[in-house]
Amino acid sequence: NAGVTQTPKFRILKIGQSMTLQCTQDMNHNYMYWYRQDPGMGLKLIYYSVGAGITDKGEVPNGYNVSRSTTEDFPLRLELAAPSQTSVYFCASGRDGNYGYTFGSGTRLTVV
Amino acid sequence: KNEVEQSPQNLTAQEGEFITINCSYSVGISALHWLQQHPGGGIVSLFMLSSGKKKHGRLIATINIQEKHSSLHITASHPRDSAVYICASRGGSQGNLIFGKGTKLSVKP
Repeated sequence: NAGVTQTPKFRILKIGQSMTLQCTQDMNHNYMYWYRQDPGMGLKLIYYSVGAGITDKGEVPNGYNVSRSTTEDFPLRLELAAPSQTSVYFCASGRDGNYGYTFGSGTRLTVV
Repeated sequence: KNEVEQSPQNLTAQEGEFITINCSYSVGISALHWLQQHPGGGIVSLFMLSSGKKKHGRLIATINIQEKHSSLHITASHPRDSAVYICASRGGSQGNLIFGKGTKLSVKP
């Protein structure tokens, strides 16, 4: 049982480049989330999804896009990367909003 | 807007000591989560509670809904407990969490 798998673990991007952070879960969880963690700050919600075909903005969605075509996958797209997007990104999933969460191992992204 | 405050920010303890980490939130919530972030960065869910107390091994989490306050206790602390402990409140039905900034715990042998 792999849980939540994030790829890549590390990435350096140049300003203006684009990339997709991948997130896959094998627990048949309906709820999936993308968070970013900046030094000294609490995790902030970027986007979330309560099921395939449904996505919604979180607290800090600007500069990002998501899709949820299957229950398993919830990729996060960065268009036109900016230095402000340098952060550690975590994907998480849950059966629904009333249970605990499983987190991926994180993606450390640096934009230079 | 709900805000989550943790104290202390940093905590150093000797092995065997009893540890308490506090968490306060500003508005009513449906549940409170305690998470552990390892030095390598991975995040593990420890507890989710909406009332009373939960225990798992040497970890105990309590919540007082009226006072909007939760505590995480570690008994007989050990160097392997060194990590960042994060509390997060959940208010909405979508399960979205508001996170505290974390408490960095270091347990010395």
